[in-house]
Amino acid sequence: QVQLQESGPGLVNPSETLSLTCSVTGYSVSSDYYWAWIRQPPGKGLEWIGSVHHSGKTYYNPSLKSRITFSLDTSNNQFSLNLISVTAADSALYYCARDTTLAYKGPLDSWGQGTLVTVSS
Amino acid sequence: DIQMTQSPSSLSASVGDRITITCRASQSIGTDLNWYQQTPGKAPKVLISAASSLQSGVPSRFSGSGSGTDFTLTISSLQPEDFATYCCQQSYSTPWTFGQGTKVEIK
Repeated sequence: QVQLQESGPGLVNPSETLSLTCSVTGYSVSSDYYWAWIRQPPGKGLEWIGSVHHSGKTYYNPSLKSRITFSLDTSNNQFSLNLISVTAADSALYYCARDTTLAYKGPLDSWGQGTLVTVSS
Repeated sequence: DIQMTQSPSSLSASVGDRITITCRASQSIGTDLNWYQQTPGKAPKVLISAASSLQSGVPSRFSGSGSGTDFTLTISSLQPEDFATYCCQQSYSTPWTFGQGTKVEIK
């Protein structure tokens, strides 16, 4: 079964770049599916950040598009998120997930447990 | 963006109760609606996709219905492991958007 695990620093300074990696086991990131990032600020709902495909095709949330970069590493079966110029508003629990919607109209069907990122000096 | 509005934001119920959570979309999304369960410290879990399709391994006490703009998630007989937060998500058009969540607590 597919498993996802987020990793990255738990504390980021304001104005710097947040970098997270999602390691995938049990399924190839080179498959037909997209791979997504979602976040949840403390006490708030989930926000989709965007999704990436191994072909290079990406979909971004317009609210974050100018600050986001995705990458996908097929040799290590992982994908990554870079979010530049962070502020306290970017503090959140960050999840990675498999996005079956864009290929097959399915759900975000497998999720990591999430990693908490705090933006503070 | 399509706005998703859930109600109630929280509810208290007892083991064995039947509960219903509603989700309303700001425009018609057909049946492109998914339901997730969130428990602290655990990965979110998809319960229902395409408004009413129960995911493999999800107990049959969970059911979903609706189309267009109005959707419901029903748990027919609450079990102790069902006390969690539930949220809906539209998969009709990007950006995917979620409801704010409904926290189900023990009465």
